[in-house]
Amino acid sequence: AQSVAQPEDQVNVAEGNPLTVKCTYSVSGNPYLFWYVQYPNRGLQFLLKYITGDNLVKGSYGFEAEFNKSQTSFHLKKPSALVSDSALYFCAVRDKSGRRALTFGSGTRLQVQP
Amino acid sequence: DAGVIQSPRHEVTEMGQEVTLRCKPISGHDYLFWYRQTMMRGLELLIYFNNNVPIDDSGMPEDRFSAKMPNASFSTLKIQPSEPRDSAVYFCASNSLPTDTQYFGPGTRLTVL
Repeated sequence: AQSVAQPEDQVNVAEGNPLTVKCTYSVSGNPYLFWYVQYPNRGLQFLLKYITGDNLVKGSYGFEAEFNKSQTSFHLKKPSALVSDSALYFCAVRDKSGRRALTFGSGTRLQVQP
Repeated sequence: DAGVIQSPRHEVTEMGQEVTLRCKPISGHDYLFWYRQTMMRGLELLIYFNNNVPIDDSGMPEDRFSAKMPNASFSTLKIQPSEPRDSAVYFCASNSLPTDTQYFGPGTRLTVL
């Protein structure tokens, strides 16, 4: 069975500082990895994905994520946080074969302070 | 592109009543997913369809829940009878093979009193 762990319920960072939201996964075979963001009372918005190729993936709003196969991690990063980045972030995984449903982590609330 | 459309956005009902949630996927997408989000269980898959055919319904909680996809542009999730523990936000998402990315609707917040 596949699983995703987001070890931090909340991450606090000052505006302008770099941010990291952590994600580790477990899946049989090679993974497809995703990051989504959820603003209050909104649906999930796709940020970026790793399918294959370069381990550093760039996505929307200046976010990027690094796939590390040996550590089974896919941490989300941004060089300079904005107050408007404050939201709930979800990491998700699926394996490359067959079942297309995503397994989500529990979410990490990012709070960017002015 | 209008994105995934869900209706209603909010539903308040009383225990025992039938509830029907609706979803219109993005045109051209051949996969449709229903997820449920609660504080206790997070985001969990209920069921998904490929080309209107249910592929995996292992997440459907019990017989009170049913889902249909009569055509490529419409799906329903029905709860009959509803119970307070069904209170959650229900999301619909759609996906096409070339992008292999799920796009989510705004969700339906269901409250069962």
